[in-house]
Amino acid sequence: DIQMTQSPASLSASLGETVTIECRASEDIYNGLAWYQQKPGKSPQLLIYNANSLHTGVPSRFSGSGSGTQYSLKINSLQSEDVASYFCQQYYDYPPTFGAGTKLELK
Amino acid sequence: EVQLVESGGGLVQPGRSMKLSCAASGFTFNNYDMAWVCQAPKKGLEWVATISYDGSSTYYRDSVKGRFTISRDNAKSTLYLQMDSLRSEDTATYYCASATDRDYFDYWGQGVMVTVSS
Repeated sequence: DIQMTQSPASLSASLGETVTIECRASEDIYNGLAWYQQKPGKSPQLLIYNANSLHTGVPSRFSGSGSGTQYSLKINSLQSEDVASYFCQQYYDYPPTFGAGTKLELK
Repeated sequence: EVQLVESGGGLVQPGRSMKLSCAASGFTFNNYDMAWVCQAPKKGLEWVATISYDGSSTYYRDSVKGRFTISRDNAKSTLYLQMDSLRSEDTATYYCASATDRDYFDYWGQGVMVTVSS
């Protein structure tokens, strides 16, 4: 199985700040990567697919980038509603696998 | 609006069975592959199983092969997960999700908790 390593595990940032979360795959996943946001007590919601495509209705302050084994999620101008856990997922190969998550809190 | 509503969770003893359901609305259910994804308490997400749009193909993670069965009734727009020989490590919230043709998950239900304990 492809292993997904996310960093950092937790992150504290101020309103208006820019935040970056990293995800590293154990092998090349050819941009087969999605990012999800999970707010406390809620189900995950798709943010980004194909490494850099924004899902319908997702604010443009979210963006994804990367290639090969290294990918990142950037949140510009952090808002209070962005407090959540964020997970990456590779779907290049079966089984689909997720990173362990990054918990984002407000400073 | 896409809606996925899970039901059927609860407390079950190890070795027993449980069947989860997911009622779908707001999209053409029989055009979409569907999946179950679980999340153990305070843990990350784990893909469990996927079924093709017409039910002809199914895929499972290794730890549930032979114990869990994913199925669907397109006439009722409902997805199912039959879980047999349950183990304590199956304790998790189970989410129903629509799966794109590339196996990422674009819409999720609210989740249903399954607790396996004596």
